Amino acid sequence: DAGVIQSPRHEVTEMGQEVTLRCKPISGHDYLFWYRQTMMRGLELLIYFNNNVPIDDSGMPEDRFSAKMPNASFSTLKIQPSEPRDSAVYFCASSTRVASVSTDTQYFGPGTRLTVL
Amino acid sequence: KQEVTQIPAALSVPEGENLVLNCSFTDSAIYNLQWFRQDPGKGLTSLLLIQSSQREQTSGRLNASLDKSSGRSTLYIAASQPGDSATYLCAVSNAGGTSYGKLTFGQGTILTVHP
Repeated sequence: DAGVIQSPRHEVTEMGQEVTLRCKPISGHDYLFWYRQTMMRGLELLIYFNNNVPIDDSGMPEDRFSAKMPNASFSTLKIQPSEPRDSAVYFCASSTRVASVSTDTQYFGPGTRLTVL
Repeated sequence: KQEVTQIPAALSVPEGENLVLNCSFTDSAIYNLQWFRQDPGKGLTSLLLIQSSQREQTSGRLNASLDKSSGRSTLYIAASQPGDSATYLCAVSNAGGTSYGKLTFGQGTILTVHP
């Protein structure tokens, strides 16, 4: 398996523009997580899905952020309009929860480094 | 609200030393605890996962222990190597309801192993 795939790897945009980050989870995984990492706040969970349904979005900073998962193999995180304080590395992770508890492990993608000027 | 603290924030050791990284958490009602490794500019790689009912997990030169009642975990690295240099992150998942999978991360320990 190719692992979790994220695109783009780097994104530079200007304040006010719309930004869309993409994620393809590991095939067969039914949980998908979006995280944000900054020097000041570390790693924070933004939202997670189970079977394509958003379960907890309490970490989404504000209405400018939205996430969707139209099918089991694709998710997007959108920021509109973007602001300089949104600059961070955004990670997507996936996992599956079956009879074997060892599969609770979350597998992370390489991240998207977002810079908003 | 769960809070996770890692000590020390940074550690520099000579190659071959055994070392211990510490993680503490405020809410003991956890489902599991995971240790991750992050290399500069890269994503996270899971090293070990300990379920709340377990006391420790081992993988090669790594051993992680969990004392849920005291809210502590340690990651022991034996015979450290320069390739172990990375940031090590501890994360806990709280039990119950929508908390499944919701990881709370510590700030990490930056480890440097010099030859």
